[in-house]
Amino acid sequence: EADIYQTPRYLVIGTGKKITLECSQTMGHDKMYWYQQDPGMELHLIHYSYGVNSTEKGDLSSESTVSRIRTEHFPLTLESARPSHTSQYLCASSELRVRQETQYFGPGTRLLVL
Amino acid sequence: ILNVEQSPQSLHVQEGDSTNFTCSFPSSNFYALHWYRWETAKSPEALFVMTLNGDEKKKGRISATLNTKEGYSYLYIKGSQPEDSATYLCAFQSTADSWGKLQFGAGTQVVVTP
Repeated sequence: EADIYQTPRYLVIGTGKKITLECSQTMGHDKMYWYQQDPGMELHLIHYSYGVNSTEKGDLSSESTVSRIRTEHFPLTLESARPSHTSQYLCASSELRVRQETQYFGPGTRLLVL
Repeated sequence: ILNVEQSPQSLHVQEGDSTNFTCSFPSSNFYALHWYRWETAKSPEALFVMTLNGDEKKKGRISATLNTKEGYSYLYIKGSQPEDSATYLCAFQSTADSWGKLQFGAGTQVVVTP
């Protein structure tokens, strides 16, 4: 089983609050990703990183921001949560040198903004 | 964003029956096709990475085939068991993306009833 962790698993929060979703992996992977998924829909890539101090926006525009100060840690922050941010957020990681990479996923965070 | 489609969206299978479902993807710029299994409340788990036209992969009772020329992959479950109940995701990897990002389908939800 892959060693990638996300906290919290579930979060209910009011509009306007600042939230940080945590993601950590112990596999030493350089590449990390954040996906957003609404029920019955595809996983959409919102952020990715290929190493420390590198972050890129994904294919789906998101108001969230990410940081990569340590290899193992890739937190996602929403400065002011809105109901439109209600979704499931999945973190993943993979090896940099393998292009046909298998991505290893965390269990996800289900976010509900009231 | 590339078009990756999975059908059907969901299916119900009796225990012991076999089933299959489809992933369609662009037939140009093919690099790899990934299959994942995602059980409720767990992390998506990699099943296969397929790269060659005509490829066939097998893991226990689950197998997959690949046709890159026409842009589809089938996933088969032989003798379905309740533990096969999950959402099965496919993801397309394009040569046009040097970073190797994955484009996911919306998944096929499989429910196996005893």
